[in-house]
Amino acid sequence: QSVLTQPPSVSAAPGQRVTISCSGSDSNIGGHYVSWYQHFPGAAPKLLIYEDVKRPSDISDRFSASKSGTSATLDITGLQTGDEALYYCGTWDYSPITHVFGPGTEVTVL
Amino acid sequence: QVQLQESGPGLVKVSETLSLTCSVSGDSITNSRHFWTWVRQSPGKGLEWIGNTQFRGTTYTSPSLERRVSISMDTSRDEFSLDLTSVTSADTGLYFCGSSDALDGGIDIWGQGTLVSVSS
Repeated sequence: QSVLTQPPSVSAAPGQRVTISCSGSDSNIGGHYVSWYQHFPGAAPKLLIYEDVKRPSDISDRFSASKSGTSATLDITGLQTGDEALYYCGTWDYSPITHVFGPGTEVTVL
Repeated sequence: QVQLQESGPGLVKVSETLSLTCSVSGDSITNSRHFWTWVRQSPGKGLEWIGNTQFRGTTYTSPSLERRVSISMDTSRDEFSLDLTSVTSADTGLYFCGSSDALDGGIDIWGQGTLVSVSS
């Protein structure tokens, strides 16, 4: 049971936009940077976003993120079939000191 | 560019110790910029953070696993290792090593993962 909350699934048609939320508390999201990962089962996760809003140089600008208070959001625009994957938020928690992942959100392209 | 490669037995018996190694190339494991991490995914479950370590820094482990987990470094081999004691079937899964350049930065480098099955 994660201390972070994500919707189990989101879906949209190709070309559309999906938004994935990640909700936590003052001890985790509210006090630490949030990262976002894309994960295809059986493969290594891929870092999409770090330090709340920053994108690694090899990540498409179709992926963007924001954070406000104890919640963070990942947006995927121009949805493609290749975006069908699991998406996880991750952050640190003060109490106890540990890193936590959200439960993951499955993105489906209709 | 750092590259990581996990290795270890694919099969471990119940109650025994799971031991995995992550070989680091492209930089020295003693570069204190890096935080060396273990993550796993059990069948049907999401990503689970196991712990991380830093050269001459603090090692953090998941509270749910800390009584059974040990993370160590071998600077002569540029490797870091995971030992998980008293394994059960719940420890079956895909184990990844990773690295990040800040404690609360993202894990930007990942190994390909190694599958570990726990059997009786």
